Amino acid sequence: GAVVSQHPSWVICKSGTSVKIECRSLDFQATTMFWYRQFPKQSLMLMATSNEGSKATYEQGVEKDKFLINHASLTLSTLTVTSAHPEDSSFYICSSRHATNEKLFFGSGTQLSVL
Amino acid sequence: AQTVTQSQPEMSVQEAETVTLSCTYDTSESDYYLFWYKQPPSRQMILVIRQEAYKQQNATENRFSVNFQKAAKSFSLKISDSQLGDAAMYFCAYRSPRQTSGSRLTFGEGTQLTVNP
Repeated sequence: GAVVSQHPSWVICKSGTSVKIECRSLDFQATTMFWYRQFPKQSLMLMATSNEGSKATYEQGVEKDKFLINHASLTLSTLTVTSAHPEDSSFYICSSRHATNEKLFFGSGTQLSVL
Repeated sequence: AQTVTQSQPEMSVQEAETVTLSCTYDTSESDYYLFWYKQPPSRQMILVIRQEAYKQQNATENRFSVNFQKAAKSFSLKISDSQLGDAAMYFCAYRSPRQTSGSRLTFGEGTQLTVNP
């Protein structure tokens, strides 16, 4: 089946620094990628939708200048958390939509801890 | 906007028994998809089963089956012969047709399933 690789799987950073999370579809092209955020024992909340070669669409309440999304190719999307603060600590998950069959595939997630 | 509601935060079942997880949703669309995802402690999202709204027949995948009631906007998951490995958080999810929202998923709050040996 299709594989979505998400790296890193966990990261610890100091407050004020920036962290980049990569989401890569290994064996298929993804026209659209979704970024979710999940707090402990809660559901996945959509943060933004990114289409290859265009600007991401952010959900209401999500700061686009804080969560920078780049979807430069059909196989790679990145989420950069800028000037991270402890309240940004969360589990981030990406999902890629297969360009051909339009099925959605999830990455394994990234646990971000901001000290 | 579509909403998905899972009214059971926690459920438990004895190994080898059957359990049903509830899900209701609200939409004005006639064409859509519904899913159940499993999230074990590893937190990897695993697709359990999917249902196309235009299909009247309930989807089945081995021990997993759904009861899809379109008029009632209900989509429950039945797990038969429960196994210890079924223990996980289960999310019900709604997906609009691509042309309306890019195929985004809307998730319910989740149901934590415990399987007792």
